[in-house]
Amino acid sequence: DVKVTQSSRYLVKRTGEKVFLECVQDMDHENMFWYRQDPGLGLRLIYFSYDVKMKEKGDIPEGYSVSREKKERFSLILESASTNQTSMYLCASGRGASQAFFGQGTRLTVV
Amino acid sequence: QKEVEQDPGPLSVPEGAIVSLNCTYSNSAFQYFMWYRQYSRKGPELLMYTYSSGNKEDGRFTAQVDKSSKYISLFIRDSQPSDSATYLCAMSEGTGRRALTFGSGTRLQVQP
Repeated sequence: DVKVTQSSRYLVKRTGEKVFLECVQDMDHENMFWYRQDPGLGLRLIYFSYDVKMKEKGDIPEGYSVSREKKERFSLILESASTNQTSMYLCASGRGASQAFFGQGTRLTVV
Repeated sequence: QKEVEQDPGPLSVPEGAIVSLNCTYSNSAFQYFMWYRQYSRKGPELLMYTYSSGNKEDGRFTAQVDKSSKYISLFIRDSQPSDSATYLCAMSEGTGRRALTFGSGTRLQVQP
């Protein structure tokens, strides 16, 4: 079974803090993704990576950055957390152009 | 207009009913079509995967793709309370950008 593990299920952070969300996959997938999910808006792509040290912006990259130093690990960084970044964050990995297997999600609250 | 449209529901049906969930899309380049099921406070899990047009069946689930109409469906036969979840459609061109585009999800409630 594919396993995508996100480091935290729930996080509460203060406005202005730098926040790190970590994701690890164990299937040697070349692609990894970060989405955020908000009621009524569905899943929106923040960033994705198709190789180590490679990244591409998704639809809503503003206020976020990513890091992929190793194939199995993809980190999402909120440089200065704001209340409008309160959301469910979902990491996924996959092979090829049509796969995505998701982690359990991190529910982030910024106060 | 969103690239993928999906009725948010909620859709409430009695146990044993046939459920029909649908998505429409505007990008004619989409070739891969998926359905995900997401239980409350969990990540989405892949339910069905279809390439191009046609039908695919897996147990009580049938996925249909009509590329000419830009319309996809998921049918659930003999629905169970355990099917209560949010169902997300997702699509990919298969080339170029290697990321899926999702619908906003339909919440389904199956009443015992």
